[in-house]
Amino acid sequence: AQKVTQAQTEISVVEKEDVTLDCVYETRDTTYYLFWYKQPPSGELVFLIRRNSFDEQNEISGRYSWNFQKSTSSFNFTITASQVVDSAVYFCALSEAPSNTGKLIFGQGTTLQVKP
Amino acid sequence: NAGVTQTPKFRVLKTGQSMTLLCAQDMNHEYMYWYRQDPGMGLRLIHYSVGEGTTAKGEVPDGYNVSRLKKQNFLLGLESAAPSQTSVYFCASSDRDRGPSDTQYFGPGTRLTVL
Repeated sequence: AQKVTQAQTEISVVEKEDVTLDCVYETRDTTYYLFWYKQPPSGELVFLIRRNSFDEQNEISGRYSWNFQKSTSSFNFTITASQVVDSAVYFCALSEAPSNTGKLIFGQGTTLQVKP
Repeated sequence: NAGVTQTPKFRVLKTGQSMTLLCAQDMNHEYMYWYRQDPGMGLRLIHYSVGEGTTAKGEVPDGYNVSRLKKQNFLLGLESAAPSQTSVYFCASSDRDRGPSDTQYFGPGTRLTVL
């Protein structure tokens, strides 16, 4: 069965600390896509990144970086030098290409609180 | 370009009442989805549509119906609301031309309370 696990329910850090949000997925397919979304206190879902299963290169976008490791079925998200504006719920999600429907399977979410 | 919009933003219903949530997108996307978000459970797919006139069940379809009469609109109906349907509902859309697993863009959400 397809599943996404975000074991960290809540994380609290002090501003400027680095923080890593863990995401572990399960799938039987060889072609799939992984996503991260951010949900700030205002409630909307903001797309952060999409990666396909054939691209294991790590990606960096400003203070954000993602570490994709197929060997451990993980797609972890690191925020460097965290800021108060990073406080949000972060969701990892999985989509399986062969299903041809684009359905997303979400993890439970990790609530990140960045204190000043 | 408004992206994905949802109507209404908030609603309170009594048990047994019915209502329809409207999702509209102006990006000419083929695929549209309805999710519900409950505390500690992430988002779960209710129904989805891969094109105008087509709909399919997701993970938690019971108690809901949908219609996609126009490409840009995806309606979610509750025929007889129950307290278990108290949730935040999100609509999303994605572009088929880039493949079925293209990025989904979400609306702002509808907060529904059933008393």
